[in-house]
Amino acid sequence: AQSVTQPDIHITVSEGASLELRCNYSYGATPYLFWYVQSPGQGLQLLLKYFSGDTLVQGIKGFEAEFKRSQSSFNLRKPSVHWSDAAEYFCAVGVSSGGGADGLTFGKGTHLIIQP
Amino acid sequence: NAGVTQTPKFRILKIGQSMTLQCTQDMNHNYMYWYRQDPGMGLKLIYYSVGAGITDKGEVPNGYNVSRSTTEDFPLRLELAAPSQTSVYFCASRGRAMNTEAFFGQGTRLTVV
Repeated sequence: AQSVTQPDIHITVSEGASLELRCNYSYGATPYLFWYVQSPGQGLQLLLKYFSGDTLVQGIKGFEAEFKRSQSSFNLRKPSVHWSDAAEYFCAVGVSSGGGADGLTFGKGTHLIIQP
Repeated sequence: NAGVTQTPKFRILKIGQSMTLQCTQDMNHNYMYWYRQDPGMGLKLIYYSVGAGITDKGEVPNGYNVSRSTTEDFPLRLELAAPSQTSVYFCASRGRAMNTEAFFGQGTRLTVV
């Protein structure tokens, strides 16, 4: 079965500094990869996704992520964070079997704190 | 553009009570999902559906039931509420094509006392 590991439970970054959130997955074939963001009391919003092609994908709010097959990683980056980026970030892997209806498997999340 | 709508947003249940969490989507998506979110645990799949009349168990289905009588609606039923079911529940939907993401509702925060 597939799995997702987000090794950092909490990360604190100063406003204006760069950010990298780590994500490693376990799956035998090429997975579909996602990053979602969750603000307090809210649902999950998609930041970006990778299905195939260019391994560097751009998302909303200035985020990008790079798929590295050799490292089974899909790390999320942002060159300069803003206070509004404080939230919970989830990496997820989607796989298909049969009809392709399997749900996403999520990591446990990384809580991002922004220091002024 | 409503997307995925969940009701209620909050609910407190007593042990042994039952309730239904409602979920409806207006995007004509075939696939719908129920997840629960517990602190520090990410989201766990409870049940999913590939279309009207078809449902299947996810990772943590015990204590829950679902039905899918229409494309739009995917209610989650708790028959005998237990404190272990205290959680935040999210409904999501996705189109048939594999290169599409899931869209999430705003969540239902359930407390069982």
